[in-house]
Amino acid sequence: GAGVSQSPRYKVAKRGQDVALRCDPISGHVSLFWYQQALGQGPEFLTYFQNEAQLDKSGLPSDRFFAERPEGSVSTLKIQRTQQEDSAVYLCASSPDRGVFGYTFGSGTRLTVV
Amino acid sequence: QQQVKQSPQSLIVQKGGISIINCAYENTAFDYFPWYQQFPGKGPALLIAIRPDVSEKKEGRFTISFNKSAKQFSLHIMDSQPGDSATYFCAARRRDAGNMLTFGGGTRLMVKP
Repeated sequence: GAGVSQSPRYKVAKRGQDVALRCDPISGHVSLFWYQQALGQGPEFLTYFQNEAQLDKSGLPSDRFFAERPEGSVSTLKIQRTQQEDSAVYLCASSPDRGVFGYTFGSGTRLTVV
Repeated sequence: QQQVKQSPQSLIVQKGGISIINCAYENTAFDYFPWYQQFPGKGPALLIAIRPDVSEKKEGRFTISFNKSAKQFSLHIMDSQPGDSATYFCAARRRDAGNMLTFGGGTRLMVKP
């Protein structure tokens, strides 16, 4: 596709509910990143894939957060037993090659936990 | 620990004026410094970027100044326009961490007509 596509754009979840956020990267992009952006703050790194391999998950806040990219293209970020502090915009970005800086962000999914 | 510190948090500039946003970093492993522009409801979009072996880079109305010894860099927006009103983020990349970016806290810029 022309850009990074994320769905849904908005998600309201009741506390304790599980959610799944989808990211469709730019076709052919090797690297995929997830960031969390709290209101009024800069994005913070969550996790990074190179193709289907999750090479860094050091930014995931807790074991309730899980990400996968099974075929090296679409990625899903799953949050189990959501809590109010999980409310944020979740941004996905893709990049064509590890050695090339061509980061493109999607518009994000705004998650509100009530 | 906040590795990239950005200031000011907000900035109001008259149309035609110069907007200046400053960032400082701590980790000498950072090797690439991009600036992003973000409009409400959108993801950050790359504006301009610089490598630490260059002291200045200019693209149109946007200029990055980089001071490697001070570990500081800044964005200058010349002839600021109302359409430049957005939130700006500086960032720093660690190539040894798979191109992971560390972002500053953001500056909300408002350009008054």
